[in-house]
Amino acid sequence: KNEVEQSPQNLTAQEGEFITINCSYSVGISALHWLQQHPGGGIVSLFMLSSGKKKHGRLIATINIQEKHSSLHITASHPRDSAVYICAGYLQGAQKLVFGQGTRLTINP
Amino acid sequence: DSGVTQTPKHLITATGQRVTLRCSPRSGDLSVYWYQQSLDQGLQFLIQYYNGEERAKGNILERFSAQQFPDLHSELNLSSLELGDSALYFCASSGLWLGGELFFGEGSRLTVL
Repeated sequence: KNEVEQSPQNLTAQEGEFITINCSYSVGISALHWLQQHPGGGIVSLFMLSSGKKKHGRLIATINIQEKHSSLHITASHPRDSAVYICAGYLQGAQKLVFGQGTRLTINP
Repeated sequence: DSGVTQTPKHLITATGQRVTLRCSPRSGDLSVYWYQQSLDQGLQFLIQYYNGEERAKGNILERFSAQQFPDLHSELNLSSLELGDSALYFCASSGLWLGGELFFGEGSRLTVL
């Protein structure tokens, strides 16, 4: 079992819809990163969080430490949000990031 | 623009060859991380340097090596290349010794023929 599991693997929605991507992680992970990878390949760090909730523009990330679960929400989705979103957990013991398999999001106009 | 620079952006080479990928971290960041992204394995952590010293090691093959220089730029050397080494190689930097927000370069796409 991977230390970080994401769902869904693929998500297609219409412009304007509210989007949720989920991430479950295992014991030993002390912080969660949400990353965005565009078709060109570059990776952008969206959030790093170890508790609570963070918001940046139309993006919101939450984490529930007890349930070992994090969500990334996109409000009023737009075609330019189409990308692969990757959840990554910082594995405290091994001192490294472990990555989920990513969620490919497609927003149609 | 993350402030992290990777060169080259694209590289095509043959099996058995050796290549060097270069990374300049964001100004002031002492930590440099290398990651490999292949189609079948996804993103994997290779190695981390902090202020010139190796800090943590992941799934890095013995044919691969890295170093961080006094000016904080880092190089990842890949030798005896195999077809399976074809991947995107990302460098990221951070201001912290442990964890912290990461800033990624645009990646170096290596194709081994």
